[in-house]
Amino acid sequence: GNSVTQMEGPVTLSEEAFLTINCTYTATGYPSLFWYVQYPGEGLQLLLKATKADDKGSNKGFEATYRKETTSFHLEKGSVQVSDSAVYFCALSSLQGGSEKLVFGKGTKLTVNP
Amino acid sequence: DTGVSQDPRHKITKRGQNVTFRCDPISEHNRLYWYRQTLGQGPEFLTYFQNEAQLEKSRLLSDRFSAERPKGSFSTLEIQRTEQGDSAMYLCASSLVSAGANVLTFGAGSRLTVL
Repeated sequence: GNSVTQMEGPVTLSEEAFLTINCTYTATGYPSLFWYVQYPGEGLQLLLKATKADDKGSNKGFEATYRKETTSFHLEKGSVQVSDSAVYFCALSSLQGGSEKLVFGKGTKLTVNP
Repeated sequence: DTGVSQDPRHKITKRGQNVTFRCDPISEHNRLYWYRQTLGQGPEFLTYFQNEAQLEKSRLLSDRFSAERPKGSFSTLEIQRTEQGDSAMYLCASSLVSAGANVLTFGAGSRLTVL
């Protein structure tokens, strides 16, 4: 079945550091890929998405590129801020088999220190 | 548009009791999803509806769990004879099926604690 594997956390960075959170996936067909973010005490929010190979999703300085050859969708940000502290979830959705449910990774907790 | 609303936000109950959660999706969305999230884990799919039809149920959803979406609007998730292992955050999400990616909008969740 479809699955997502993302790097184990927690990740602790200093402000203005470069961020990478790795995400790889296993899926049948051609999935859409997503990053969701969960700030402390809040619900899941869509951060960015990509629907086909080589697409780059971007939002709030975060970027991720859909790499079909490596089945990856790594999240990057050039300069993190304290306000980026949150849990980040990689997810996929695939029409294959008639189900469009979202399948999530386990999440990576990011803490950014001033 | 007030987003996806869930009620109650917190529920504490004793083992063996029944609990019911309600979800009000974004009004124009035709799909509604239920997920469960435990500490340190990603959300796990439970079930989803398109309009009033329940299209898929996870094997995680035991016979004690039932979900409904009468008239294709709000949905309820009932857990009968709760167990301590049911303690989790129950998340509701909705989406509008259209061309392109199926983007889910989540509510803030209903946290269940079973004593």
